Amino acid sequence: GDSVTQMEGPVTLSEEAFLTINCTYTATGYPSLFWYVQYPGEGLQLLLKATKADDKGSNKGFEATYRKETTSFHLEKGSVQVSDSAVYFCALNPRSGSARQLTFGSGTQLTVLP
Amino acid sequence: DVKVTQSSRYLVKRTGEKVFLECVQDMDHENMFWYRQDPGLGLRLIYFSYDVKMKEKGDIPEGYSVSREKKERFSLILESASTNQTSMYLCASSFVTGAHSGANVLTFGAGSRLTVL
Repeated sequence: GDSVTQMEGPVTLSEEAFLTINCTYTATGYPSLFWYVQYPGEGLQLLLKATKADDKGSNKGFEATYRKETTSFHLEKGSVQVSDSAVYFCALNPRSGSARQLTFGSGTQLTVLP
Repeated sequence: DVKVTQSSRYLVKRTGEKVFLECVQDMDHENMFWYRQDPGLGLRLIYFSYDVKMKEKGDIPEGYSVSREKKERFSLILESASTNQTSMYLCASSFVTGAHSGANVLTFGAGSRLTVL
């Protein structure tokens, strides 16, 4: 079945450092890919998404590129802020699949120190 | 903005008690979900509902049931709570968008943290 593998955390960075959180997936066909973020005490919210190969999703300075050849969707940000401290989840859904088929990674905790 | 509201942020219950977790969304979404979130395991789907009175089991339905009598409300029920059901429970909702339903974006509530003693 479909699966998502994220780099294990926790990740601790200093403010203004470069961030990469790795995400690879296993799925048939061309799934849609997502990054969700969960700030402390809150539910998850969509950070960005990409629905086809080579698409780049971007939001709030974060970017991720859908790489079909490496089955990856790594999350990057050039300069992190303390306010980016959160748990980040990579997820996939089959392209025309039911919404219930959304598969999440295990989450990566990011802490940014001032 | 779409809002998904979970009625209880924190609950403490005893083993064997019946527990109700309520979730309400205000944007007429067809789909509603209950997930369980545990450290290192990510989110696991308990139940999914795609319409009033319609439901599908998710990956871990054992020990849980659900009710959807109105479109905006989706309840998760633990008939007899056990300590291994201590967890964070997340409700979510989404539209159905047809051919590219795989691109559906979920809107989540803030979560209900349940402790079973």
